[in-house]
Amino acid sequence: EADIYQTPRYLVIGTGKKITLECSQTMGHDKMYWYQQDPGMELHLIHYSYGVNSTEKGDLSSESTVSRIRTEHFPLTLESARPSHTSQYLCASQVASGGTDTQYFGPGTRLTVL
Amino acid sequence: KNQVEQSPQSLIILEGKNCTLQCNYTVSPFSNLRWYKQDTGRGPVSLTIMTFSENTKSNGRYTATLDADTKQSSLHITASQLSDSASYICVVSDRGSTLGRLYFGRGTQLTVWP
Repeated sequence: EADIYQTPRYLVIGTGKKITLECSQTMGHDKMYWYQQDPGMELHLIHYSYGVNSTEKGDLSSESTVSRIRTEHFPLTLESARPSHTSQYLCASQVASGGTDTQYFGPGTRLTVL
Repeated sequence: KNQVEQSPQSLIILEGKNCTLQCNYTVSPFSNLRWYKQDTGRGPVSLTIMTFSENTKSNGRYTATLDADTKQSSLHITASQLSDSASYICVVSDRGSTLGRLYFGRGTQLTVWP
């Protein structure tokens, strides 16, 4: 069982609110990722990090931002939420030693913006 | 364009029956292929991972096959159980970048009925 946690699990908020989705892992993994997943669709990479103070945008354009101040913590922030941000957000982590290492996923945050 | 296509999109089987899920990919260069299981409202969990030189790998009642020449993979589930109801996602990694980029299929939604 992977030790990667996401909070909150569910969030319903109004348009224009600022939100932060939390992701923490206790495995000491250097690589961390944020994915966005809509029902019945594939996961899309929106942000990734190779280590502390390293963050990059993924393939899917996103208005969210991330930070990596500590190895175990990779929060995602939306400054002004809109209905188009409604989706499931999945955080994952991976050992940095090689490309075959498995990505471990958190349980996800289901975000609904009204 | 690198893609991962899965079939069928959805599948319903009776408890105790076997089933096979398909994955075709065009990702090149190829590094490895993984099958994940994603329960509703949860993050994906890794079932198997296969590199270019491997053509079959088992994990309990799950057996994955890989034909790197035809770029096809299958996931065979034996003696299905109600708990097998989930989405099964095929993920292919390339070796063309330091990211070891992952390409996700949309998944096959499996429902096991009693």
